[in-house]
Amino acid sequence: SQTIHQWPATLVQPVGSPLSLECTVEGTSNPNLYWYRQAAGRGLQLLFYSVGIGQISSEVPQNLSASRPQDRQFILSSKKLLLSDSGFYLCAWSEFGVANYGYTFGSGTRLTVV
Amino acid sequence: DAKTTQPNSMESNEEEPVHLPCNHSTISGTDYIHWYRQLPSQGPEYVIHGLTSNVNNRMASLAIAEDRKSSTLILHRATLRDAAVYYCILNMNRDDKIIFGKGTRLHILP
Repeated sequence: SQTIHQWPATLVQPVGSPLSLECTVEGTSNPNLYWYRQAAGRGLQLLFYSVGIGQISSEVPQNLSASRPQDRQFILSSKKLLLSDSGFYLCAWSEFGVANYGYTFGSGTRLTVV
Repeated sequence: DAKTTQPNSMESNEEEPVHLPCNHSTISGTDYIHWYRQLPSQGPEYVIHGLTSNVNNRMASLAIAEDRKSSTLILHRATLRDAAVYYCILNMNRDDKIIFGKGTRLHILP
């Protein structure tokens, strides 16, 4: 069966420090991968999505970046964190595009920038 | 992007049915209607989806209007564990991403 792993679960980072969040999927190949962010009390904001290795689409201009070095690995990075980067970061995957298949989300990383 | 409209919040009593509405008047013929829910401090989880016909699964039922411009998620017997934010989303077949709206926050009263 397919599983999605996301870590760490919680993270406290100072302003200006770098960030690296990792997401891996098991049990499937060539998944679509997504990074979402949810600020406190707000909705889910799509940040990046990828339909293949090295293919990244950015939805919102910001100081974050994403990379997909392997088929089932998706990384969210920042060189210098801002206070506004605090939030709940969620990785998700889907198979064969989204139309007739749902998303499966990871358990999320709660990032606090101090 | 096709949009959905949901009430911001709803309340229901425990062990009673809950009908969560969603309007999607600009839906296109190939858009699937998906529902997700997000429990506190967790990622969203898939609930149900459909295209034209009503759908049932172990979690809920989805009733789709004949003109497909609205749908209703039905929880047959709400429990306290069903308290969550419920998102109604249109999955555009021509795109590989879905955009979440603000959803409906469902409160279950004991």
